[in-house]
Amino acid sequence: DQQVKQNSPSLSVQEGRISILNCDYTNSMFDYFLWYKKYPAEGPTFLISISSIKDKNEDGRFTVFLNKSAKHLSLHIVPSQPGDSAVYFCAASGLGRGGSNYKLTFGKGTLLTVNP
Amino acid sequence: GAGVSQSPSNKVTEKGKDVELRCDPISGHTALYWYRQSLGQGLEFLIYFQGNSAPDKSGLPSDRFSAERTGGSVSTLTIQRTQQEDSAVYLCASSLRLAGATDTQYFGPGTRLTVL
Repeated sequence: DQQVKQNSPSLSVQEGRISILNCDYTNSMFDYFLWYKKYPAEGPTFLISISSIKDKNEDGRFTVFLNKSAKHLSLHIVPSQPGDSAVYFCAASGLGRGGSNYKLTFGKGTLLTVNP
Repeated sequence: GAGVSQSPSNKVTEKGKDVELRCDPISGHTALYWYRQSLGQGLEFLIYFQGNSAPDKSGLPSDRFSAERTGGSVSTLTIQRTQQEDSAVYLCASSLRLAGATDTQYFGPGTRLTVL
């Protein structure tokens, strides 16, 4: 079963607008969440993270929101830039079923395209 | 400074052959992880090392898969008697410590394995 789900395989937005990428999880023991960005032929690079004790974390143009009751998190990018075009992976960790505090469970990713 | 490097970048092999994939972590990183990404899937955890020991091998898909790490640095993932379902991108990551997910995992570019 997939414990981290990114239901939108792709998203297209205009430059300067907001990009919102969504992620849902099923394991209530997850307590740390991360977003990674991946360009073609490169490994994923860490973007931003949030602990379950918070509901928001902001870093420049990137903000991650966590709604624990809904088991949902989202990544907001504003304003979006063409260089943001990449695959974005949501990941989670925690001491739940089959989990650990170091083993990351990833979603399948969302391809973001920012059009000039 | 150098990031995580992996070799080869691409490997094509015939079914039944053995392959070795190499990972050079960031210098000084004590923790090392292997993941794989099959087509259309998220990253799947395989194994991690703390120093030269691998306390958690639960993610290895079968006994055809093995990994070792020597000198607290380079790691090799070996797949024996490869099968077509082993075709995937194999990603290595390292982190400074194994102190939970808060220790950022830095990924290499991956090795794309194709089993014919």
